[in-house]
Amino acid sequence: GAVVSQHPSWVICKSGTSVKIECRSLDFQATTMFWYRQFPKQSLMLMATSNEGSKATYEQGVEKDKFLINHASLTLSTLTVTSAHPEDSSFYICSARDTPASGNGYTFGSGTRLTVV
Amino acid sequence: GENVEQHPSTLSVQEGDSAVIKCTYSDSASNYFPWYKQELGKRPQLIIDIRSNVGEKKDQRIAVTLNKTAKHFSLHITETQPEDSAVYFCAAKNQAGTALIFGKGTTLSVSS
Repeated sequence: GAVVSQHPSWVICKSGTSVKIECRSLDFQATTMFWYRQFPKQSLMLMATSNEGSKATYEQGVEKDKFLINHASLTLSTLTVTSAHPEDSSFYICSARDTPASGNGYTFGSGTRLTVV
Repeated sequence: GENVEQHPSTLSVQEGDSAVIKCTYSDSASNYFPWYKQELGKRPQLIIDIRSNVGEKKDQRIAVTLNKTAKHFSLHITETQPEDSAVYFCAAKNQAGTALIFGKGTTLSVSS
């Protein structure tokens, strides 16, 4: 079945530094990927929609200059948390459509636990 | 945009009992409604989904019902087992028809 690989699975960084998270579709092409953030005991909150070859679409309240998204190929989307602060500590999960636009399958990455100290 | 409400936030049942989790959505154009199970620190796992052209779908102990008129859908788990204990999320496709919007989740505890 469709597989989305996400790396790293966990990362600890110092305040003020930047962290890059990668999301790869291994056996299918994903023109669209989605980035979610999940705080402890909360739901998955959509941060942005990543579109291959074009700018990402950010949800209201998500700072596009802080959460940089790049989707340069059909199999790779990256999320860079810039100038990270402790309040950015969270579980970040990517997702991709694993079927053509007419289908409804969504595949999730394994998530990245970010801790900012 | 799409708004998904989920109830209850916690649910405790005895092994063998049934569990029901309910969700409502706001966008009448939404046409896809999946349910996910998430264990601590792991990715959500799809357990069942339903499209807007059907009213009910069943897969062994799990079933989902959809009422388009009322804009609500429900997850039914019968003969619950301790391994069913997890957080369950409902979701619906958003206004743009691409990303999934999730409910706030239900923590299900099944005691033996």
